[in-house]
Amino acid sequence: AQSVTQLDSQVPVFEEAPVELRCNYSSSVSVYLFWYVQYPNQGLQLLLKYLSGSTLVKGINGFEAEFNKSQTSFHLRKPSVHISDTAEYFCAVSKISSGSARQLTFGSGTQLTVLP
Amino acid sequence: NAGVTQTPKFQVLKTGQSMTLQCAQDMNHEYMSWYRQDPGMGLRLIHYSVGAGITDQGEVPNGYNVSRSTTEDFPLRLLSAAPSQTSVYFCASSWGGNEQFFGPGTRLTVL
Repeated sequence: AQSVTQLDSQVPVFEEAPVELRCNYSSSVSVYLFWYVQYPNQGLQLLLKYLSGSTLVKGINGFEAEFNKSQTSFHLRKPSVHISDTAEYFCAVSKISSGSARQLTFGSGTQLTVLP
Repeated sequence: NAGVTQTPKFQVLKTGQSMTLQCAQDMNHEYMSWYRQDPGMGLRLIHYSVGAGITDQGEVPNGYNVSRSTTEDFPLRLLSAAPSQTSVYFCASSWGGNEQFFGPGTRLTVL
């Protein structure tokens, strides 16, 4: 079974400052890694994903994440945040399998609040 | 494309009532799933389907039933609602599983 730990439940940051949202995972098999964003009263939208290849992954809205296999981490970063980045962010994993089923295991979420 | 649609957006039930949450997608995705979102717990998988006629249980299936008679639709049934089922429910779909597309959610309150 997989598990995901998001180390910070709330992260306040001032506008134009950098931010890092931390995610660690545990799995006995190889996994795919994802970051999703949820704006207030909306569904989840994919920010970025790591499937294979380069460990530095770039996503939408200027976000990027780095996969570190030895530390089993997939931290999300943005060099300069905007008020519009205020949202809840979820890290998720799914085990790699040959079938089409991909069950996502989510972390508990990190609320990013960007302050003016 | 409408993507993934869910109805209703809001619902209030009394304990013991039954209801069906509707989910539909127009992307011809084979994989569909239902999650519930509770504060501080992220999203947890209730049931999923890998194609019409095939369903399986996720992490928290008790109290919920699903069926998949068509590729497009994946309804979630609450047979006898309980206050513990108060939550926000999300439906998602994908074609190969690498990216799941989420609906806007249904906010359910059970009194």
